[in-house]
Amino acid sequence: SQQGEEDPQALSIQEGENATMNCSYKTSINNLQWYRQNSGRGLVHLILIRSNEREKHSGRLRVTLDTSKKSSSLLITASRAADTASYFCATDNFGNEKLTFGTGTRLTIIP
Amino acid sequence: DTAVSQTPKYLVTQMGNDKSIKCEQNLGHDTMYWYKQDSKKFLKIMFSYNNKELIINETVPNRFSPKSPDKAHLNLHINSLELGDSAVYFCASSRFSGSNNEQFFGPGTRLTVL
Repeated sequence: SQQGEEDPQALSIQEGENATMNCSYKTSINNLQWYRQNSGRGLVHLILIRSNEREKHSGRLRVTLDTSKKSSSLLITASRAADTASYFCATDNFGNEKLTFGTGTRLTIIP
Repeated sequence: DTAVSQTPKYLVTQMGNDKSIKCEQNLGHDTMYWYKQDSKKFLKIMFSYNNKELIINETVPNRFSPKSPDKAHLNLHINSLELGDSAVYFCASSRFSGSNNEQFFGPGTRLTVL
């Protein structure tokens, strides 16, 4: 079964607003990663958060991890048109070599 | 210079044909992957090689055969193509194996089987 599931499936906001996407997963993890995919392109790594971390920042990105709820959130502050993309969370399976990707959140920033 | 490159970008072919997709990375990474992304954007790992050795082999039909001639290349050969093989195939690489490594993705190959 799918490990990560993003919520919402699609999100449209005005430029300048903040965007929040959530990811829920089913099994214990060592780490969780977030990736961005622009239309017709490959995925680009955004941030990795380890299971013993609760929050991590990178530029306008803020990621939180709640292992007790098996969930993570990605916050993009002061959104820009260039942030329009699909965002995926990816989890391991507690030591498994592979990453399991969620179904993604399609984010549209309206200029 | 492109870090992870794939050829071709688009591949349209008839059912029953055999085709190959090539992948090269110039990052000096040890580990390479093949993923399949379906029409609903669901991305699933197919194979992973570390230093030319197969380390992940998901439940993939044996019509799919990866080949790694060296650690910078991981090619995917598909025999007897079926309609359900239509998808976007992504190659990726990471410095080392293991899920705590950032993966670098190629631009994808859109395969359409008619």
